[in-house]
Amino acid sequence: KAGVTQTPRYLIKTRGQQVTLSCSPISGHRSVSWYQQTPGQGLQFLFEYFSETQRNKGNFPGRFSGRQFSNSRSEMNVSTLELGDSALYLCASSAQGTTEAFFGQGTRLTVV
Amino acid sequence: LAKTTQPISMDSYEGQEVNITCSHNNIATNDYITWYQQFPSQGPRFIIQGYKTKVTNEVASLFIPADRKSSTLSLPRVSLSDTAVYYCLVAMTSGSARQLTFGSGTQLTVLP
Repeated sequence: KAGVTQTPRYLIKTRGQQVTLSCSPISGHRSVSWYQQTPGQGLQFLFEYFSETQRNKGNFPGRFSGRQFSNSRSEMNVSTLELGDSALYLCASSAQGTTEAFFGQGTRLTVV
Repeated sequence: LAKTTQPISMDSYEGQEVNITCSHNNIATNDYITWYQQFPSQGPRFIIQGYKTKVTNEVASLFIPADRKSSTLSLPRVSLSDTAVYYCLVAMTSGSARQLTFGSGTQLTVLP
């Protein structure tokens, strides 16, 4: 069974640009959550989607948004990028009713 | 929302038992406590999950007291390959808000 796939693996963007990251969950998993990982702040929860609906949201500005499609694939978008948005963005999928989440390898975003 | 708290680092020798504790005062009533292991440049990997008392699987045990305000991950007979960062993950609540929150992570270093 294929794991969680995140694309791209690495990304370099300029301040002020926007970026879209993609996550394909494990087949059959309908819950997808996103996290930002930085050396200073650790792993921080961004949002969680289930059946195309945002179920929970972390404490991030409105520049961070996401969505989930009918096939459970998810995207997150960051607009007006700032240097501080440089981080590893992780996506995790889980089956309904469990917090046993399976993580992808992440997308390493560098903002210059 | 209150944060979870873990020791920043721990050292151990091969073959010893290691116990890592996470405190989580505002844990959601009906949510599980989950622990993950993370190696550099990889996404977190699920270790164990529990709701109360004790849970054991082939790699670890998880002890949760009755008040569920803390949990202890126990790794029996660690080896050099167990050197990694260990995170607890809980759902924290404040009023109607519910947020998935990772602990700050514990860097475990296993020495020969």
